[in-house]
Amino acid sequence: GQQVMQIPQYQHVQEGEDFTTYCNSSTTLSNIQWYKQRPGGHPVFLIQLVKSGEVKKQKRLTFQFGEAKKNSSLHITATQTTDVGTYFCAGPTWSGGSNYKLTFGKGTLLTVNP
Amino acid sequence: DTGVSQDPRHKITKRGQNVTFRCDPISEHNRLYWYRQTLGQGPEFLTYFQNEAQLEKSRLLSDRFSAERPKGSFSTLEIQRTEQGDSAMYLCASSRYPSGVSEKLFFGSGTQLSVL
Repeated sequence: GQQVMQIPQYQHVQEGEDFTTYCNSSTTLSNIQWYKQRPGGHPVFLIQLVKSGEVKKQKRLTFQFGEAKKNSSLHITATQTTDVGTYFCAGPTWSGGSNYKLTFGKGTLLTVNP
Repeated sequence: DTGVSQDPRHKITKRGQNVTFRCDPISEHNRLYWYRQTLGQGPEFLTYFQNEAQLEKSRLLSDRFSAERPKGSFSTLEIQRTEQGDSAMYLCASSRYPSGVSEKLFFGSGTQLSVL
């Protein structure tokens, strides 16, 4: 079945440094979603990428979808303590017709030293 | 602003007992998902409903797990004869389908299960 893998598993940065997490799928994805989970919280939707090579920005966050639609990345510029949390990518796994479920990666835990 | 409610927030039980969790999705959402999450892992799919129909259940899921959504609104997840390995955060999520290429999920705060 489809697997979604993320690296690194952990990343510790000094406040102000940049951060990048990478997501790779074993199969081509129709789209990819990113979620953020704060410590003790639940996953919260950040963005969805659909087109090959797509790049989207949300303030200091830049999301990319690979040309082959099998990989994606999230880059945070000049991290802040509010960026702390686990970032998950998720891709749809289809099981016939319109039936699918989101398969999540294991996530990248970002900690920021103030 | 997720609007997905889960009850209880925490559940401690002894091995072998049955437990039931409830999820109230966002009112206009027709899809409801159950995921399980352990420390350091991403959410693991368990099952999902579209309205009252259960469309898919994880093949890895034990027969001790059952879920219902009888009126297409709230859902319950029951675990029978709990085992220590069932200890995890059980997350419910809802979405509106169809909604673009694939809809985004709104998660509840989860039910943390501890099996002693």
